[in-house]
Amino acid sequence: GAGVSQTPSNKVTEKGKYVELRCDPISGHTALYWYRQSLGQGPEFLIYFQGTGAADDSGLPNDRFFAVRPEGSVSTLKIQRTERGDSAVYLCASSIYAREANEQFFGPGTRLTVL
Amino acid sequence: AQKVTQAQTEISVVEKEDVTLDCVYETRDTTYYLFWYKQPPSGELVFLIRRNSFDEQNEISGRYSWNFQKSTSSFNFTITASQVVDSAVYFCALKTGANNLFFGTGTRLTVIP
Repeated sequence: GAGVSQTPSNKVTEKGKYVELRCDPISGHTALYWYRQSLGQGPEFLIYFQGTGAADDSGLPNDRFFAVRPEGSVSTLKIQRTERGDSAVYLCASSIYAREANEQFFGPGTRLTVL
Repeated sequence: AQKVTQAQTEISVVEKEDVTLDCVYETRDTTYYLFWYKQPPSGELVFLIRRNSFDEQNEISGRYSWNFQKSTSSFNFTITASQVVDSAVYFCALKTGANNLFFGTGTRLTVIP
């Protein structure tokens, strides 16, 4: 079956611009997670959804970052007024539902470069 | 607070050698899960194994084996008879009551033919 997909695979933007990153989870997975991975680091948690609601957004670095999942499937991570420090790979993961034991399946990521 | 330490930043081995990747974790929770993921050059994280805090049995899967020791808060990963396809960055991760994964900084393994 299809895995987690993310679009675009690469995004280059200029400082101050707005970007949207999309994630399509595995069909039937109710939990969806966003992580950010900087060069040479492990992924860092941003936000997770259980269904349509953001159950935990404690990892979002500031109010320029926002994510939605209006129908409980596809999610969009939105970054306003991008800064060079936002450059990273943004990873999306999904699991069948949000529970400690459940492994998360990751997408290939979107590499964001802010010039 | 949760923390995962992978002290080995990079390891190089010659093909067919065995290699062990270290992982030390910190948490105050009594119930938690430990994971290993592989990130090949393509970038996609691949799930390898999950272990819960109540199960200290070692696990073997083909050339891979994992040693979980609560006494030392370690969850080490050994690859036996390494192959070039094992070259990747390996991440150890911890999940507690929160649903997000706490990742270590990863160990880059290079297997030289």
